[in-house]
Amino acid sequence: SAVISQKPSRDICQRGTSLTIQCQVDSQVTMMFWYRQQPGQSLTLIATANQGSEATYESGFVIDKFPISRPNLTFSTLTVSNMSPEDSSIYLCSVTGVEGTAYNEQFFGPGTRLTVL
Amino acid sequence: DQQVKQNSPSLSVQEGRISILNCDYTNSMFDYFLWYKKYPAEGPTFLISISSIKDKNEDGRFTVFLNKSAKHLSLHIVPSQPGDSAVYFCAASNNQGGKLIFGQGTELSVKP
Repeated sequence: SAVISQKPSRDICQRGTSLTIQCQVDSQVTMMFWYRQQPGQSLTLIATANQGSEATYESGFVIDKFPISRPNLTFSTLTVSNMSPEDSSIYLCSVTGVEGTAYNEQFFGPGTRLTVL
Repeated sequence: DQQVKQNSPSLSVQEGRISILNCDYTNSMFDYFLWYKKYPAEGPTFLISISSIKDKNEDGRFTVFLNKSAKHLSLHIVPSQPGDSAVYFCAASNNQGGKLIFGQGTELSVKP
């Protein structure tokens, strides 16, 4: 599998501000994704981060709220914009296409725990 | 619309016995299924997967069974160990870009 790191690991933010979360992989991967896990809930896909083009967002998620970048095959960022307490969640990046693994085997980073006051 | 369901929010098992975690799905287009284990404050860890062309996949203490006609899969852990205590998520994919749909999770507690 790949080693996936996320920064920051946690943060406490004020309402109305924005936070950018970074995801770094130690090898080139095919796909990168961003998920959210709200308290007591399952994981929900926010978007697929596309290298060199705009991310593909799932229903209920929009670019203005969650801008995503993926400048290369090992790095992506997710910004949570104009935060409200409802954005308090764990945000996770994941990857597929790790060398030596099946295409659909998806590996996750450690997550970023965000609390919005 | 919950396409992947884990109807048991929790399961308690004695050390050394078998743990069976269940998962049901509704979308017949799903063709790849995965199980993840998650500890608090960590990201999910990939455990085992199965393609829809198989009905069983085994890796050490972990075996996943797939019943396509019933749209049901299960994860068996034998023998269960206290270190297996975690939340287990099943996930499904229809091979369209790797997008995963997750169940709600089952919290497994293995008691010594």
